[in-house]
Amino acid sequence: ETGVTQSPTHLIKTRGQQVTLRCSSQSGHNTVSWYQQALGQGPQFIFQYYREEENGRGNFPPRFSGLQFPNYSSELNVNALELDDSALYLCASSRDTGELFFGEGSRLTVL
Amino acid sequence: AQSVTQLGSHVSVSEGALVLLRCNYSSSVPPYLFWYVQYPNQGLQLLLKYTSAATLVKGINGFEAEFKKSETSFHLTKPSAHMSDAAEYFCAVSALGTASKLTFGTGTRLQVTL
Repeated sequence: ETGVTQSPTHLIKTRGQQVTLRCSSQSGHNTVSWYQQALGQGPQFIFQYYREEENGRGNFPPRFSGLQFPNYSSELNVNALELDDSALYLCASSRDTGELFFGEGSRLTVL
Repeated sequence: AQSVTQLGSHVSVSEGALVLLRCNYSSSVPPYLFWYVQYPNQGLQLLLKYTSAATLVKGINGFEAEFKKSETSFHLTKPSAHMSDAAEYFCAVSALGTASKLTFGTGTRLQVTL
């Protein structure tokens, strides 16, 4: 139990739709990182938010965007969904650039 | 740029046998190295991490790993496998000074048989 909660746990969308995934960070953590884990692959870094500002981004297109709120919770938004966006989306919180604590993920299926 | 390569996507051992999961890294700067475990339908849990202190790192559940700069390796070992160790294991690397922007390997699925 890491104290990081994600919602929803599962969802199904169709191509072209938009999705919002949510993450509540562990108490005392000010940094949230998002990772995409495709089936059978390792997680890939999408981006990180530190004190409400984007603090680094991986190799993902602009249709992947995020927010961090004053309480350090976060959202991941994906526009114009593609089939390849089907994956487990993992949120992790940390204190500054310290150790990551992962949530259990949101599994997105795009049909 | 940093990357890790995990040799063997599937490893099978008998209960009580040695577990050895291999990870080699590539990094242009001194790295931090990590091993994470993922049980089915769950998130990632940190097993252990190397952050430039002792080269032999002990983690949870009896796992340990040794940082070998000359071999650019960070292999994960456990002397005696238990059925509960069956899971997916990921090696990851980050730049020195940050443990939160990780580059993961493709994972090794550990199967433990009776």
